[in-house]
Amino acid sequence: GENVEQHPSTLSVQEGDSAVIKCTYSDSASNYFPWYKQELGKRPQLIIDIRSNVGEKKDQRIAVTLNKTAKHFSLHITETQPEDSAVYFCAARVGRGSTLGRLYFGRGTQLTVWP
Amino acid sequence: DTEVTQTPKHLVMGMTNKKSLKCEQHMGHRAMYWYKQKAKKPPELMFVYSYEKLSINESVPSRFSPECPNSSLLNLHLHALQPEDSALYLCASSLLAGQANNEQFFGPGTRLTVL
Repeated sequence: GENVEQHPSTLSVQEGDSAVIKCTYSDSASNYFPWYKQELGKRPQLIIDIRSNVGEKKDQRIAVTLNKTAKHFSLHITETQPEDSAVYFCAARVGRGSTLGRLYFGRGTQLTVWP
Repeated sequence: DTEVTQTPKHLVMGMTNKKSLKCEQHMGHRAMYWYKQKAKKPPELMFVYSYEKLSINESVPSRFSPECPNSSLLNLHLHALQPEDSALYLCASSLLAGQANNEQFFGPGTRLTVL
């Protein structure tokens, strides 16, 4: 099945700096890549996603880039704020076969933004 | 209604108890999911229902028994659980299971403690 690796596992930045989280995937049939933010004690919330026919997507301070050739995708947060502190999970979804529709998650990145 | 709801929020049970977790959505989604999540780990897929039929069972022990009475409801029946089953149980839904790029929305979860 699909294997998603996520780095780093922890990331600390100063408020106002940028943060970048990187993920790689193994199955070239994966064609949908969501990012979830999970605050302590809360549900994972979809913050941005990208489909395989697009190389980059931006939503205000958050952007995601996808390199299909290298099988990696990244989350970029600019002008970080303390409320960005959370665990971030990347995921990949395979577009064919018996696991069609299933999400494969990375292990998560604990982002801490210091004021 | 654009939310997935879950009850109860918290549940404490003994190893001989029988209890049920409930999940509901009214977004017209035809795919519903159960996940188990341990602290600081990604969600682990347990079951997937597509059009009220079980389509994926990730080799979950029989002490967990899912049920999908209709397209809006998903239950997880618990019996003879072990302390290591203590976790956050998340329900999720998406428009369709077989589409690779359907967004998946999570409920708030049930925090389960097995004594």
